[in-house]
Parts: sequence; structure tokens; C-alpha cells
Amino acid sequence: GQNIDQPTEMTATEGAIVQINCTYQTSGFNGLFWYQQHAGEAPTFLSYNVLDGLEEKGRFSSFLSRSKGYSYLLLKELQMKDSASYLCAVISNDYKLSFGAGTTVTVRA
Amino acid sequence: IAGITQAPTSQILAAGRRMTLRCTQDMRHNAMYWYRQDLGLGLRLIHYSNTAGTTGKGEVPDGYSVSRANTDDFPLTLASAVPSQTSVYFCASSDQGEYNEQFFGPGTRLTVL
Repeated sequence: GQNIDQPTEMTATEGAIVQINCTYQTSGFNGLFWYQQHAGEAPTFLSYNVLDGLEEKGRFSSFLSRSKGYSYLLLKELQMKDSASYLCAVISNDYKLSFGAGTTVTVRA
Repeated sequence: IAGITQAPTSQILAAGRRMTLRCTQDMRHNAMYWYRQDLGLGLRLIHYSNTAGTTGKGEVPDGYSVSRANTDDFPLTLASAVPSQTSVYFCASSDQGEYNEQFFGPGTRLTVL
């Protein structure tokens, strides 16, 4: 089976930095996704990592260590619109995604 | 506009009734998926289809069935709804390959009373 863990909630101040950690134990590994989901909406793609290291895309960066079964999503210069749930998902050898329960980030003024 | 659509947006259903949730994509993606999302549990895969004519079971398939008669459509049927099937249902699609970002539909909020 798949086991993907991430914190339930995080709170940060506008303009700050927040790091959301994700650890995983899965049968096979073909990459790790981060999705953003605003309340009442569908998840939308943020990032994809398949090799170790840091992928940077504007204010968002994602890191992967395959040997440690660990990833993090870094959100910089937080804005109020970044208040959302962030979903860590691992794709296994059969190309199915397994999701963590999600981390709800609240940005306060 | 290319994308993935779901219908209905929301539905209240009496227990024991049959219900089909519709999903259509126009991106010519090979693979399609149905998830349910419940508070504290995240997205869980119900059924999937890697290509038209084939389907497979996900993590929580009991009480649900799917069909994939063509590339674009992937309906999800609840043969006899039960209250535990109250959830938000998301359909998704992707190209299968080394990098297969899944695109999600807007979701269907289903309440079974």
C-alpha cells in the first residue's frame, strides 16, 4: 500500500515563507506532484519532481530526496490568495496517483 | 475551451437510488480517473481507465462501477446509493507516460440521505 504523510494545518503571515513537508512510502516511484486546492474548487497542478533536487517556479519551489522518501513545497512571499490546501501525491509504477490528506495553509495579514 | 467537465455540480439523493455522475474531457487523454474527497482523508481513487475499453479498480471501488466506451467519456455509477457515499467526487484525466500530470474536473458534490 501507499503511505503519504503531511501536516494537517499551517499558518503564516503575509510576506513570509512556509515549508510544507511530505514523507512517503510507496510501492514504486515515478515522480511526486504538488497540487493546490482552494476551498470548493478542483486541485490544480503546482509542481512535479522525479529526480533529486530543487525545482523552482516563481514563488513556489519543490524539493525531492528519493533516498529519504521526502519532499517539501516552499512558498515564498506569501500572499492572501495562497490560503489553500496543498496536496502531495506520488505516482507509482502503474501510473496511479496516491494522495496525502493535504495541508491547509492559512495566510494572515 | 479544452478541459474536463462534470455533471451534475451537486446532487441530493435518497438512499437506495441509482445515480450516474458524468465526466467528459476533450483533451484526447488516454487515462481517466474517479476520486472521492472526504475531510481528513484526502483524494482516494475509486476506479480508473488507462485507455478506452479498459477499466480498473482503485483504492475504494466497492459500490461503484464505471465504463469507458470511448476516449472522452467516463461515467461513474452508484447502483444503490448509501449515506457513506456522501462526498465530493472528482474526475481527472492524463496522458500516460513518464510525466502524466492529471487535470481535474470541477467536482460533483453528492449527498445521500
